[in-house]
Amino acid sequence: EVQLVESGGALVQPGGSLRLSCAASGFTFSTYAMAWVRQAPGKGLEWVSSITGSGYSTYYADSVMGRFTISRDNSKSTLYLQMNSLRSEDTAVYFCSSGDFVGLSDSWGQGSLVTVSS
Amino acid sequence: DIQMTQSPSSLSGSVGDRVTITCRASQGISNYVAWYQQKPGKVPKLLIYATSTLQSGVPSRFSGSGAGTDFTLTITSLQPEDVATYYCQKYNSGPHTFGQGTKLEIK
Repeated sequence: EVQLVESGGALVQPGGSLRLSCAASGFTFSTYAMAWVRQAPGKGLEWVSSITGSGYSTYYADSVMGRFTISRDNSKSTLYLQMNSLRSEDTAVYFCSSGDFVGLSDSWGQGSLVTVSS
Repeated sequence: DIQMTQSPSSLSGSVGDRVTITCRASQGISNYVAWYQQKPGKVPKLLIYATSTLQSGVPSRFSGSGAGTDFTLTITSLQPEDVATYYCQKYNSGPHTFGQGTKLEIK
C-alpha cells in the first residue's frame, strides 16, 4: 500500500524559511514522479512543484519560482520542499503526491499545514 | 503559461441526474488531462487521467472525454456520495496547472 507522510509544517514569520519532508513507502520510490500541491484555507488546489523519478527535471509554479526548491533522496525514499522568503500567501496545507507520470498525482499524503504570520 | 478554465464553478443536481463539468485549456494539451475529486475535509483523489482513463476503483458512472483544448467530466447517474469539489489538471508539461474547481451539490 502506498503511504506518503508529510512533516515539517509549522508557524513561521514572513521572510522565514521552512523545509517540508514527505516519507514514502509501499512502492519503488525512484521510479515515480513526485509533486507538491497546496491548498490555502477555503480555496482550491494549487500545483506548486514536480520532480521526475531521477530528480533530473524539476518544475515550479510561477508563484514559488526562485523561492522554493523541490528535491528528493531516493536512497531514503523521501521528497523535500525547501521554502524560503515565505509570504502570507504561502499559508496552506501542503500535500505530497506521487504519480507514474510527472505532474500526475495518483496517490496523496494527508498534508502538512504551513502558516506564515507574524 | 497555459491556463485551465473550469465551468461551472458550482452546480447542483438531483440523485440520478447526468451532470457535466467542462475544462478549457488556453492552448492545446493533447490528452494530458486529469480529473480529481475532493470531498469535504478529505484528501484529493484521482478519478480520471489521460482524458478518459478511469483510475482503478473509480465507479463507472464517471467518464471523461475531450481533446485539444476542451475536456469534459461526466457523471451519468449522480449519487449522494458524489458531493465534492472536482478539479481538472493539465500535465503534458510544466506548469501542471489545476482548474479553479467545480463544487457539486445535491438538490
